[in-house]
Amino acid sequence: GQQLNQSPQSMFIQEGEDVSMNCTSSSIFNTWLWYKQEPGEGPVLLIALYKAGELTSNGRLTAQFGITRKDSFLNISASIPSDVGIYFCAGRTGYGGSQGNLIFGKGTKLSVKP
Amino acid sequence: NAGVTQTPKFQVLKTGQSMTLQCAQDMNHEYMSWYRQDPGMGLRLIHYSVGAGITDQGEVPNGYNVSRSTTEDFPLRLLSAAPSQTSVYFCASSRGRKGGRDTGELFFGEGSRLTVL
Repeated sequence: GQQLNQSPQSMFIQEGEDVSMNCTSSSIFNTWLWYKQEPGEGPVLLIALYKAGELTSNGRLTAQFGITRKDSFLNISASIPSDVGIYFCAGRTGYGGSQGNLIFGKGTKLSVKP
Repeated sequence: NAGVTQTPKFQVLKTGQSMTLQCAQDMNHEYMSWYRQDPGMGLRLIHYSVGAGITDQGEVPNGYNVSRSTTEDFPLRLLSAAPSQTSVYFCASSRGRKGGRDTGELFFGEGSRLTVL
């Protein structure tokens, strides 16, 4: 089946540092979503992207839909301790049926040292 | 708003036992799905439903059954539990095409942690 390659797998950074992570796909996607999961909780949507080249921000978070439609990037600026968690990218190739299902990356585990 | 509600939150089973994980959403969402989350594997789709009476298999359907008799409920049944089914299970829903653009944005429950001994 289709796979998403998400990197890095984990990051251990100092508070105040910027963070970058990305996802690449072997298929062209029409939707990219970024989620955050905290311990004991379900993933929560951070940013949604629907057009190639689209750049969208949510507070200190910025995500981009790659021009090739096969990748996406998430940046976190000036990290704080509450940014700790696992970040997932997710994408889909179409609408409806199996194409409308979201495929998830394996996650980037972020740790922030105060 | 309750959103997506899963029960139970924790369950321990013996090999061969059967059980049902319950999922309900109160957002009138058309699409519902079940994922399992295992360390280092991300979220993998088990089954999904695009509306009441319609279900289909995802990436890892073996050993699981689903039904969708109402818009609100989407239970996941383990027929004969195996240790390989030890995992955290997430139910998720999205609006689908109902009432507007299909954004694909999934809303997740808090998860059900299952251990099979």
